[in-house]
Amino acid sequence: DARVTQTPRHKVTEMGQEVTMRCQPILGHNTVFWYRQTMMQGLELLAYFRNRAPLDDSGMPKDRFSAEMPDATLATLKIQPSEPRDSAVYFCASGLARTGSSSYNEQFFGPGTRLTVL
Amino acid sequence: GEDVEQSLFLSVREGDSSVINCTYTDSSSTYLYWYKQEPGAGLQLLTYIFSNMDMKQDQRLTVLLNKKDKHLSLRIADTQTGDSAIYFCAEDQGGKLIFGQGTELSVKP
Repeated sequence: DARVTQTPRHKVTEMGQEVTMRCQPILGHNTVFWYRQTMMQGLELLAYFRNRAPLDDSGMPKDRFSAEMPDATLATLKIQPSEPRDSAVYFCASGLARTGSSSYNEQFFGPGTRLTVL
Repeated sequence: GEDVEQSLFLSVREGDSSVINCTYTDSSSTYLYWYKQEPGAGLQLLTYIFSNMDMKQDQRLTVLLNKKDKHLSLRIADTQTGDSAIYFCAEDQGGKLIFGQGTELSVKP
């Protein structure tokens, strides 16, 4: 049963601390997405990788957030230093991007990391 | 506008039909998607429609697509309490899905 996994599921930390969230995409998928969900802003795309290369991180605050894919089985999202306004649920999703004008791009979501910054 | 738009809330009685509406922006989206998010979980694909179709039926779900008006709707027949969730529509912009804000469906017994 192939699933996207995320760790930790819950994280409570104090303002100023570093937070690292991890994601294991589905084996064979070549795209990985990081989203943030809050009541106020809804679902926001933070970063997007294809074949481990960052394609779009325009939604991510660059001064404190960084996203990487050290290898095809691991994606990380780091916040340093964290702030209370970063409190949200962070989702990772993976997919298999197909080239061509009629590509079907289903994304498979992980269960999310609920981050609380005090 | 640049956003995919949905109404935020819908409340129906069990057994009634639910209709969730969405306005999208990118007329070149080849596929349009509906995702469902249950409490405490990630989003799951519910159904999708290819842009050259105007209707797709899948058991209790009917998707209608009006390309001229860039309007997408999801109809759930015989709505059950288990259908209570947040429903997101999404358009495809070059491999990147752009989601609406989500419509919270509340089903009352």
